[in-house]
Amino acid sequence: EVQLVQSGAEVKKPGESLKISCKGSGYSFTSYWIGWVRQMPGKGLEWMGIIYPGDSDTRYSPSFQGQVTISADKSISTAYLQWSSLKASDTAMYYCATRGIAARRTFDYWGQGTLVTVSS
Amino acid sequence: QSALTQPASVSGSPGQSITISCTGTSSDVGSYNLVSWYQQHPGKAPKLMIYEVSKRPSGVSNRFSGSKSGNTASLTISGLQAEDEADYYCCSYAGSSTFQVFGGGTKLTVL
Repeated sequence: EVQLVQSGAEVKKPGESLKISCKGSGYSFTSYWIGWVRQMPGKGLEWMGIIYPGDSDTRYSPSFQGQVTISADKSISTAYLQWSSLKASDTAMYYCATRGIAARRTFDYWGQGTLVTVSS
Repeated sequence: QSALTQPASVSGSPGQSITISCTGTSSDVGSYNLVSWYQQHPGKAPKLMIYEVSKRPSGVSNRFSGSKSGNTASLTISGLQAEDEADYYCCSYAGSSTFQVFGGGTKLTVL
């Protein structure tokens, strides 16, 4: 069974750094892209970026390029999303999702989400 | 890359059918038969309901169906049930640079 388990909710102050995680199991972690999707409070889904853990090829949505960093550690089947300096506008739910396991070129399996709250 | 355009809300009575549209461009929806649809209940992660325009993942009810014409894709839900009340998002592949683009979401209310 494919599972993506994300790290727990975070409360941070503006300017702080943060790294959240997404651990995959039940499939070949290095063979499928993993993406990150933002959902701001009461808003829709936004694709942020994606990584291929096999060779760490990473692509970013233009809206998020330079704002976040996506990485992966294939030795522990875990993908990461990180910020160097959080802003209040980063407050959102963040989902990781695999791409292409059960459905070609789209996000198929999703993590449970990580709520990030940035407030002074 | 602009988001795909969906109606903000649709509604229907139990047993009826509804259709949600998703309009993109010739760079995304119009170029690829790679439109997917997600259902999201409050406080839950999105769930894949349709992929490759009209295919259903295992376990998804056949009351859900998808289609596409030109730059517009559609999701139809027949025999509406109370449990179908949720937000629905379309998503399209948009090429190897952009990868994916989502629609703004549609809130389905079952009256």
